[in-house]
Amino acid sequence: SQTIHQWPATLVQPVGSPLSLECTVEGTSNPNLYWYRQAAGRGLQLLFYSVGIGQISSEVPQNLSASRPQDRQFILSSKKLLLSDSGFYLCAWRRTGIEAFFGQGTRLTVV
Amino acid sequence: GENVEQHPSTLSVQEGDSAVIKCTYSDSASNYFPWYKQELGKRPQLIIDIRSNVGEKKDQRIAVTLNKTAKHFSLHITETQPEDSAVYFCAASRSSGSARQLTFGSGTQLTVLP
Repeated sequence: SQTIHQWPATLVQPVGSPLSLECTVEGTSNPNLYWYRQAAGRGLQLLFYSVGIGQISSEVPQNLSASRPQDRQFILSSKKLLLSDSGFYLCAWRRTGIEAFFGQGTRLTVV
Repeated sequence: GENVEQHPSTLSVQEGDSAVIKCTYSDSASNYFPWYKQELGKRPQLIIDIRSNVGEKKDQRIAVTLNKTAKHFSLHITETQPEDSAVYFCAASRSSGSARQLTFGSGTQLTVLP
């Protein structure tokens, strides 16, 4: 069966510090991978998605970037965090036409 | 691209009553409609989904209806319980095409009052 791992679960970072959130998927190959953010604990804002290694599509211009160095690894990064980057970050995978499976999420607080 | 609108944004019901959440979509090519439940601080999880070849699907206290002509679908929860309190998201997707094609509604905060 497929599983998705996301870490860390919580993170407190000072403004201006770098960020790296990692997501890995097991039990499937060539998944579509996604990063979402929930700034207000409600709406799912799509940040990035990837259909393959090295292929990243950005939905919202911002202070963040994403990379997919391996088929089942998706990384969300920032060089310098802003206060507005605080939120709940969710990684997800899916295949076209079926449900999305979410990681446990990372609660990021920028102070 | 697809646009999914969800109403209401908040919903309070008494325990034992029914709750209905409605969504509309814009892309007539969408044919897969999942519903997710997200408890506070946790990940969204699929509770039920429906494909365009059926008009209704039921799983115990939860049902989803789909009207392809009107491009809207609804989640019905009967005999609500306090543990049903959560944020619910609808979504719409095509069965083929771009990976981008999974669009979520803005969410409904359901509160079941004991």
